[in-house]
Amino acid sequence: DTEVTQTPKHLVMGMTNKKSLKCEQHMGHRAMYWYKQKAKKPPELMFVYSYEKLSINESVPSRFSPECPNSSLLNLHLHALQPEDSALYLCASSPQTVSLRYGYTFGSGTRLTVV
Amino acid sequence: AQTVTQSQPEMSVQEAETVTLSCTYDTSESDYYLFWYKQPPSRQMILVIRQEAYKQQNATENRFSVNFQKAAKSFSLKISDSQLGDAAMYFCAYRSRSNDYKLSFGAGTTVTVRA
Repeated sequence: DTEVTQTPKHLVMGMTNKKSLKCEQHMGHRAMYWYKQKAKKPPELMFVYSYEKLSINESVPSRFSPECPNSSLLNLHLHALQPEDSALYLCASSPQTVSLRYGYTFGSGTRLTVV
Repeated sequence: AQTVTQSQPEMSVQEAETVTLSCTYDTSESDYYLFWYKQPPSRQMILVIRQEAYKQQNATENRFSVNFQKAAKSFSLKISDSQLGDAAMYFCAYRSRSNDYKLSFGAGTTVTVRA
């Protein structure tokens, strides 16, 4: 299995809703990442998990709450989002954070629309 | 801080022809990796090719090759024998220890392939 699987593929939520994005990989990677991507822009890093521990938080608002329950699974919990949070949310993984040679394996993303 | 610059927002190429995408970067590091990612309309970021800074030989992957000029801090991507499936947004990315091993992306170049 060489994939990163993200669910759901599309999500529409109201500003008062609570929802979660899910990301799963079975490649034995110990580093996992959340990115936010606006249309025609590069991905922006949100969070980095290394060995199931949060290692980088890029000053993301608290309405985004990441969770890494085990080495294969990464969640992003969403609460009280704003319309400007509408974007493509990408998950990625790599064998480990502290090695330069590895690129990331990305999922296909969740297209989030906040109404 | 490292910056990655892609100066061509859009490029168009005739099917079977060759197109070259430019990328320059700014760094004071000597040890780093460079990557090209492809993001088709399906949204998934796909690693196309990588280059280690210490290797002088340019990387090649099938129809994709790079021209790595370390002194000039340039890392261009050449797509030969372009195919309709090459139509996508292409991102140049940089990774080094001083940047916490994070991927830094350029703004991207949209490639259109004409039949």
